[in-house]
Amino acid sequence: GQNIDQPTEMTATEGAIVQINCTYQTSGFNGLFWYQQHAGEAPTFLSYNVLDGLEEKGRFSSFLSRSKGYSYLLLKELQMKDSASYLCAVRTLPGAGSYQLTFGKGTKLSVIP
Amino acid sequence: DGGITQSPKYLFRKEGQNVTLSCEQNLNHDAMYWYRQDPGQGLRLIYYSQIVNDFQKGDIAEGYSVSREKKESFPLTVTSAQKNPTAFYLCASSIWLAGVADTQYFGPGTRLTVL
Repeated sequence: GQNIDQPTEMTATEGAIVQINCTYQTSGFNGLFWYQQHAGEAPTFLSYNVLDGLEEKGRFSSFLSRSKGYSYLLLKELQMKDSASYLCAVRTLPGAGSYQLTFGKGTKLSVIP
Repeated sequence: DGGITQSPKYLFRKEGQNVTLSCEQNLNHDAMYWYRQDPGQGLRLIYYSQIVNDFQKGDIAEGYSVSREKKESFPLTVTSAQKNPTAFYLCASSIWLAGVADTQYFGPGTRLTVL
């Protein structure tokens, strides 16, 4: 099976930088996704990594190290609206023609003034 | 505007009743999915469908049923056999390329409460 770990909660100050880590143990790794979810709303897609390295999208960046089973989401110039849960999800290929997307429990980020 | 719609947003039902949650997408995506989210838990896959008239059980399919008669629609029925149905239900869709699911996009969700 898959095991995905993220910190449960984090707090950061407006304007600062925060890094949310995600570690995973899985076989047949085929990509890692980050989603943002505001309370009571649906998750929205932020980023996708399948190869090692850093993917940058504006204020958000995501990093992947497949050998270490590790990813992080980096949020720069934090804004109050960034207060949300951040979900790490790992895609695997357990067999030909099928797939699994397994979500972590999410990290609740609170941005304070 | 393309997107995924779920209705209703809030749903209340009495214990012992079946209820159907709607999910419609106009993104022309091949695959559709149903997840359940409980407080403090990750999203858990209930059912998914890669193509019309075909669907597969996810990790927690017991007490649920689905149909996929049209590409755009993937309704979920929560039956009376589901022991703990109160939860936030999320529908998603994605392109399906060469046996691999692409990025999933989510609908707004339905919050089901069993009284």
